[in-house]
Amino acid sequence: GEDVEQSLFLSVREGDSSVINCTYTDSSSTYLYWYKQEPGAGLQLLTYIFSNMDMKQDQRLTVLLNKKDKHLSLRIADTQTGDSAIYFCAESISNNDMRFGAGTRLTVKP
Amino acid sequence: DAGVIQSPRHEVTEMGQEVTLRCKPISGHDYLFWYRQTMMRGLELLIYFNNNVPIDDSGMPEDRFSAKMPNASFSTLKIQPSEPRDSAVYFCASSFSRTGELFFGEGSRLTVL
Repeated sequence: GEDVEQSLFLSVREGDSSVINCTYTDSSSTYLYWYKQEPGAGLQLLTYIFSNMDMKQDQRLTVLLNKKDKHLSLRIADTQTGDSAIYFCAESISNNDMRFGAGTRLTVKP
Repeated sequence: DAGVIQSPRHEVTEMGQEVTLRCKPISGHDYLFWYRQTMMRGLELLIYFNNNVPIDDSGMPEDRFSAKMPNASFSTLKIQPSEPRDSAVYFCASSFSRTGELFFGEGSRLTVL
């Protein structure tokens, strides 16, 4: 498809792991990004992965990339209430463009 | 650096009025982007500039929307006349490159009655 696709909602309990999934469009994308948007704020880069990597870990965050399936995921371990936000997947496209998904709203219940 | 600065943070106006949104990008960034966010359509790229020159305005909804960047430190997005369907949060972002990390402002929430 032409769009970066994400599920719109995810709800987890505090302390559980969250997994946010994304499928992207361009198999030659160089970088793939995860942005976080907290209520009333702009998007902020959370992490990114270069396309020649399969996995990247940064403290509680793990990014997995499956290039064959054009699938990207973000795992948040030990999810906290402060992780409640909208998470956007984005890809850099070979024609010098950047494309965002619609965002996944993560709700963390105590 | 203070980050990307947008004003106003909130604007409520009546249909038919002119709306001007303002943005100050991060100093040294060559790219400036205007996005619109709604529940229905998500995040949409409206227009972006490189070195103050508009490069791609294909996302601008219609002729009622216009954007300018008279210098490296200032950009405006104007809607004239405004309509209720223009109600959204408008974000400005800046970057060193077209596909690198984008730095977003806090957004301007526009409500057109």
